[in-house]
Parts: sequence; structure tokens; C-alpha cells
Amino acid sequence: DGGITQSPKYLFRKEGQNVTLSCEQNLNHDAMYWYRQDPGQGLRLIYYSQIVNDFQKGDIAEGYSVSREKKESFPLTVTSAQKNPTAFYLCASSQGWTGELFFGEGSRLTVL
Amino acid sequence: GENVEQHPSTLSVQEGDSAVIKCTYSDSASNYFPWYKQELGKGPQLIIDIRSNVGEKKDQRIAVTLNKTAKHFSLHITETQPEDSAVYFCAATAYGQNFVFGPGTRLSVLP
Repeated sequence: DGGITQSPKYLFRKEGQNVTLSCEQNLNHDAMYWYRQDPGQGLRLIYYSQIVNDFQKGDIAEGYSVSREKKESFPLTVTSAQKNPTAFYLCASSQGWTGELFFGEGSRLTVL
Repeated sequence: GENVEQHPSTLSVQEGDSAVIKCTYSDSASNYFPWYKQELGKGPQLIIDIRSNVGEKKDQRIAVTLNKTAKHFSLHITETQPEDSAVYFCAATAYGQNFVFGPGTRLSVLP
């Protein structure tokens, strides 16, 4: 089945450690996105990529980094510079102009 | 840039009643308006969407209406059921670029 796979689903880390969240899609979508969701709030865009080897900062990119070496993969690194990293992270993909955005099941990061 | 507002933030209805959630957007260039349902601990799922060349779209108990002049669109759920309880998000985008989401509505369907 086509879809978006995020891993791990739950992740616990100590302060000061970098963590990388995986996102893989087999929908053959060109565009991929990372969103952050805090309790009771909407989705805020961290980074997005419209094409391989290219990505742009979203609204809250500080303290995060990404790479897009393959069309199907868009990993997100939460660095130690991110002041408040505990959150629910959602990866999504879309086929560009058609507009339909599909989400993964999310990764919940807790920094102790 | 685009700004999307969504009301109400919480909504409680009796099972079998209708629920309406409204969103407004600011950028007249936006031409695609999806609605997502998010259950606890899961990713949002697309439930219905509408493009700017259409005024209304219906899928069984769910419908969406769009008023381009007023820049608002609404989600209508009829004959609500307990499994409709979730958080609903609206979004707006121009040609699939830079989706902007509303803050969400927590819908509770009371038995």
C-alpha cells in the first residue's frame, strides 16, 4: 500500500542531544513537508522540499535541519539548538500543484 | 502571506445533530481548501476538499461550501456519530504551495 512511514513513533532523548526523525514515502510525490504540532494547537511548518536536493525553511526552522538526497526520503534532525523540542512531529507529502497533502502517523519526541 | 482562521475552537453536539465548522482565509490566490480529521495520537487524514472553481462538494454525511467573494469555507457534518469525535483542521493553499492550516476545532459528539 502507498503511504508515508514515520519512525520512530515515540522517542525520548536527553537535553543537548541531536535526534533524527525518519520519513519515507512510496507515493512518488515530489514535495515533502515537516510540521510541528503542540498540544491543542495547529500545524506549523518547519521545512519543506519541492524537489530532490532542494529544501526551504518554513515558519519555525530554527533548531532543525533536513536533507533531501532521495525523492522518497526526507529526514528531520532536531538539534540541541532547538529550545523546546518536545512535540508531535508530522511528515507529509504532496504531488505539487494537485494540492492533496497526505500525512504520516507522526513521531512524538519527548526531551527529558 | 496567507492567514487562516477557524471557528469554533471546540464544538459539542448531540449524536444525530449536525455540526458546522467555519474557516476564513486572507489570500485571494488560494485555490484549494482541504479539511482534515485528526484522531488522538494519529496523523491528520484528508476527509474532503474543494477547489476554487466549485461552490459546494458533498460526500455522504460530509459537505464543504466555499464562498470566494467572502473568502470563507465551511465543513458540514450531518447525522453526527460518536466516531466523528476528533479534531478537524481546515487549510488553504495556492496550487499546492505552502499549505496554511487553521488552529483546529475539537468536535465532541455526545451519545
